[in-house]
Amino acid sequence: QQQVKQSPQSLIVQKGGISIINCAYENTAFDYFPWYQQFPGKGPALLIAIRPDVSEKKEGRFTISFNKSAKQFSLHIMDSQPGDSATYFCAASMRTDKLIFGTGTRLQVFP
Amino acid sequence: DGGITQSPKYLFRKEGQNVTLSCEQNLNHDAMYWYRQDPGQGLRLIYYSQIVNDFQKGDIAEGYSVSREKKESFPLTVTSAQKNPTAFYLCASSIWIRAGNEKLFFGSGTQLSVL
Repeated sequence: QQQVKQSPQSLIVQKGGISIINCAYENTAFDYFPWYQQFPGKGPALLIAIRPDVSEKKEGRFTISFNKSAKQFSLHIMDSQPGDSATYFCAASMRTDKLIFGTGTRLQVFP
Repeated sequence: DGGITQSPKYLFRKEGQNVTLSCEQNLNHDAMYWYRQDPGQGLRLIYYSQIVNDFQKGDIAEGYSVSREKKESFPLTVTSAQKNPTAFYLCASSIWIRAGNEKLFFGSGTQLSVL
């Protein structure tokens, strides 16, 4: 019940396309859902986060969509660029508890 | 520059040897964490510390040890009991854990390999 399931494991998108990464969870007590971006040889960095009181959050080309009833959330990258090529991790946590990370999605954006 | 410094960037361990990974932060964060990253397995929590001289086991603590003698430092020792230590190790910090929903700041990682 503590798991966060992430898919796909890898994703190849053409420049200008939309990248979509999905995550699902079981624990309804989770109340914080961040996405982290990791470039090769570097540590992850917070990209965008959402709480369950909203269904969507947008920051530039990055959007989180949240479906509370389905216990799913997804990251959409609009107008994907080669510089977006990285590994993306979704995560979830309950208040006062540690983050649970998904298994990661390696995104490659080709020109 | 504020941030988290991990060293070394690459480390090689001989069989039966203990090795220590360094993690230093100057963000004045109370909480610090160690994660292990393996391909296809995401980030798994090894140990975390919420305050100096206190730390808790994460999901995969066996074969590892830590100390938190100073707020700024949280070294990780990979002992000979860890039979499969080859991985990318990430240190992170956050303001404090009890607030929940805290942003994690990560270092650049240490790649540990077995000779």
